[in-house]
Amino acid sequence: KAGVTQTPRYLIKTRGQQVTLSCSPISGHRSVSWYQQTPGQGLQFLFEYFSETQRNKGNFPGRFSGRQFSNSRSEMNVSTLELGDSALYLCASSSGRGDQPQHFGDGTRLSIL
Amino acid sequence: EDKVVQSPLSLVVHEGDTVTLNCSYEVTNFRSLLWYKQEKKAPTFLFMLTSSGIEKKSGRLSSILDKKELFSILNITATQTGDSAVYLCAVATRDSGSSGGTSYGKLTFGQGTILTVHP
Repeated sequence: KAGVTQTPRYLIKTRGQQVTLSCSPISGHRSVSWYQQTPGQGLQFLFEYFSETQRNKGNFPGRFSGRQFSNSRSEMNVSTLELGDSALYLCASSSGRGDQPQHFGDGTRLSIL
Repeated sequence: EDKVVQSPLSLVVHEGDTVTLNCSYEVTNFRSLLWYKQEKKAPTFLFMLTSSGIEKKSGRLSSILDKKELFSILNITATQTGDSAVYLCAVATRDSGSSGGTSYGKLTFGQGTILTVHP
């Protein structure tokens, strides 16, 4: 069974640009959650999508948004990039029922110049 | 605000030693506690604990949850250099979904314990 796939693996952008990251969940998983990982703040929850709807949201500004498609693939968008957005962005998939663990992709390393 | 605290933050041992990693939590609507191992890339799943007092084991690793005292421990016996990694504790909660319904998709993570095993 294929794991969670995230693309691209690395991305370099400049301040003010926008970026879109992609996540393909494990087959059969309907929930996709996104996290930001930085050395200072650790892993922080961004949002969860389930059946094409945002079901939960963390404490991040509106510049961070996402969506989910009918095949459960998810995208995350960050607009007006700031230096502080440099981080490893991880997505995780699960059944969404709370009875199974979330499994993580390898992440997208985003660097802002 | 949900909070998860791990200790120690770093640990250096020699091969063959036994280590105990700690995780305490204060959250609303606890659902489960999870342990992950992170090396260079993705956190890989180790254990998911939902009931108090039931030890979960996988090879040299084991973990137990105490829901009364709000903590969990992860034990690694006979450590090997391949055990060197960051060990992450996370708590899953049952939240009111932003679009109605129930969300189980939020994990609150601790800071992690950096384990270094020397040959």
